[in-house]
Amino acid sequence: GEDVEQSLFLSVREGDSSVINCTYTDSSSTYLYWYKQEPGAGLQLLTYIFSNMDMKQDQRLTVLLNKKDKHLSLRIADTQTGDSAIYFCAESRDDKIIFGKGTRLHILP
Amino acid sequence: DAEITQSPRHKITETGRQVTLACHQTWNHNNMFWYRQDLGHGLRLIHYSYGVQDTNKGEVSDGYSVSRSNTEDLPLTLESAASSQTSVYFCASSDHTDTQYFGPGTRLTVL
Repeated sequence: GEDVEQSLFLSVREGDSSVINCTYTDSSSTYLYWYKQEPGAGLQLLTYIFSNMDMKQDQRLTVLLNKKDKHLSLRIADTQTGDSAIYFCAESRDDKIIFGKGTRLHILP
Repeated sequence: DAEITQSPRHKITETGRQVTLACHQTWNHNNMFWYRQDLGHGLRLIHYSYGVQDTNKGEVSDGYSVSRSNTEDLPLTLESAASSQTSVYFCASSDHTDTQYFGPGTRLTVL
């Protein structure tokens, strides 16, 4: 299909790691992105990975890219209440960005 | 600091009225985009522009129009507002990496 797919919900206990998964469609995508949306706000770029990379780490965030399976994941270490948000996976395609429907991350106390 | 702003942040209008949502960016980005966000649909692209005088239709362009007379602004016009256009609208601009930077959104209600 042509959609970027990700699960709609994820619940994680505070302090645990969160892993949000995504499958994309275009093997020629140059960039893959993770955006975060907090309630009542716009989308904020969290991180992006160039398609020739397998992994990118930035503090508590780790992005893994499996080009063969067109699979992208975002790992948040030591999940905190401030991480509660909707996370969007996206791929670059024809000078545009195609977004998934977003994964709502819920933090359990 | 460079930024992208949208106005108004909230708007209530009546069916049939013309509505214009403003988007202004100070990054000097060539590419600008309008999306609507609805439950169950995620973000859907309405219109986009790659530069002054350039406009293109996205996947849900019916009932909407844009114009690009300068680099900084891409106003979105609803010619005759319909209840189906009640949504949250986001404007974005992108740099050379295609990374998009989003405005804070406009919540539009059409009664």
